[in-house]
Amino acid sequence: DAKTTQPPSMDCAEGRAANLPCNHSTISGNEYVYWYRQIHSQGPQYIIHGLKNNETNEMASLIITEDRKSSTLILPHATLRDTAVYYCIGSSTGNTPLVFGKGTRLSVIA
Amino acid sequence: DADVTQTPRNRITKTGKRIMLECSQTKGHDRMYWYRQDPGLGLRLIYYSFDVKDINKGEISDGYSVSRQAQAKFSLSLESAIPNQTALYFCATSDWTYTGELFFGEGSRLTVL
Repeated sequence: DAKTTQPPSMDCAEGRAANLPCNHSTISGNEYVYWYRQIHSQGPQYIIHGLKNNETNEMASLIITEDRKSSTLILPHATLRDTAVYYCIGSSTGNTPLVFGKGTRLSVIA
Repeated sequence: DADVTQTPRNRITKTGKRIMLECSQTKGHDRMYWYRQDPGLGLRLIYYSFDVKDINKGEISDGYSVSRQAQAKFSLSLESAIPNQTALYFCATSDWTYTGELFFGEGSRLTVL
């Protein structure tokens, strides 16, 4: 699995876009980028994943650079309920369980 | 009801005791996982199972064992609990297509005194 690097913490004003970066310079061609979040001590929640193309769903957008060495998760209008730890994971699909790092603690501030 | 249910949700026990954490799921998924989380750290994989007859060790399996009793049930045992096994434990499931989406239970908080 690709090693990912995320900032340990970030702040974002409520109502603004939260842009969470992730570096994955060793990612291989068949490895996806997954994003999860964990609110307080709840079980992590899947957000989105992508391979090469940018992806969007009802929760967030994922922007992957053309060289695939980094990506950004975008929460377009952050709310207080988006305060959580966000995990970026690089992994191939198939038979490799996901490995969670320490993630980025996002604090949304009123 | 939750799709992935863990019992007990909280447990305090003493060093040397045998403890079982149970996980059951109603999602019909073949794949089940046990993760451990320590304060300030990410989740670490203990064991995983891709079907009833399949058991695989994760990165921190020492001191733990598992049993896959049925497609829907995956139990984690600590044969002789020790204080450094105090942690939050999560069970998760995924389907056989493994798109990368894991479904987690609410966690079992274990304290070993």
